[in-house]
Amino acid sequence: RKEVEQDPGPFNVPEGATVAFNCTYSNSASQSFFWYRQDCRKEPKLLMSVYSSGNEDGRFTAQLNRASQYISLLIRDSKLSDSATYLCVVGMEGSNYQLIWGAGTKLIIKP
Amino acid sequence: NAGVTQTPKFRVLKTGQSMTLLCAQDMNHEYMYWYRQDPGMGLRLIHYSVGEGTTAKGEVPDGYNVSRLKKQNFLLGLESAAPSQTSVYFCASRDRDRVRNEQFFGPGTRLTVL
Repeated sequence: RKEVEQDPGPFNVPEGATVAFNCTYSNSASQSFFWYRQDCRKEPKLLMSVYSSGNEDGRFTAQLNRASQYISLLIRDSKLSDSATYLCVVGMEGSNYQLIWGAGTKLIIKP
Repeated sequence: NAGVTQTPKFRVLKTGQSMTLLCAQDMNHEYMYWYRQDPGMGLRLIHYSVGEGTTAKGEVPDGYNVSRLKKQNFLLGLESAAPSQTSVYFCASRDRDRVRNEQFFGPGTRLTVL
């Protein structure tokens, strides 16, 4: 079983729609959680950190469910520019902040 | 600020050849990482460094060596390239701050081993 699992997609979504991704992680000792965005043939970039109480950044909302060991990302009013691969990332304190990366969920926003 | 830079951007090697990938960062970060990214898989950590003069093995270190002689540079070496090392290689760096765990990435090196 992979340590961080994501649905690879692609998710084909019309512009303006709301889309949600989930990610599950296997290590209950995980302490930090992130969503990174990766455009085609580019490097990953941090989209947002995920906090226990949930957090929002504009059209993006991230939630963490420690009991079920999953993280979610919700994108509202999707834009064409949101087309990318979204990487779920999990880290543990005390491991020199090594991160475990999911393989990503591909999102395609259609006009 | 250039951030994190990587050279070269592309390279084609024959089996058995050697090469060095250079990563440089100008953000005075303590931590640096080398990853490889293969289709359908998450980034996998090859080696990392927590400061000048230190290196440590990651998840997939075999066939690679690294050096961190200067704080701003982290070199990844392939002594005898194999086709299984065909991949996209990313370097990343981050500061020591525990709260902000963000890793900043270079643009990647696309390596093909024939």
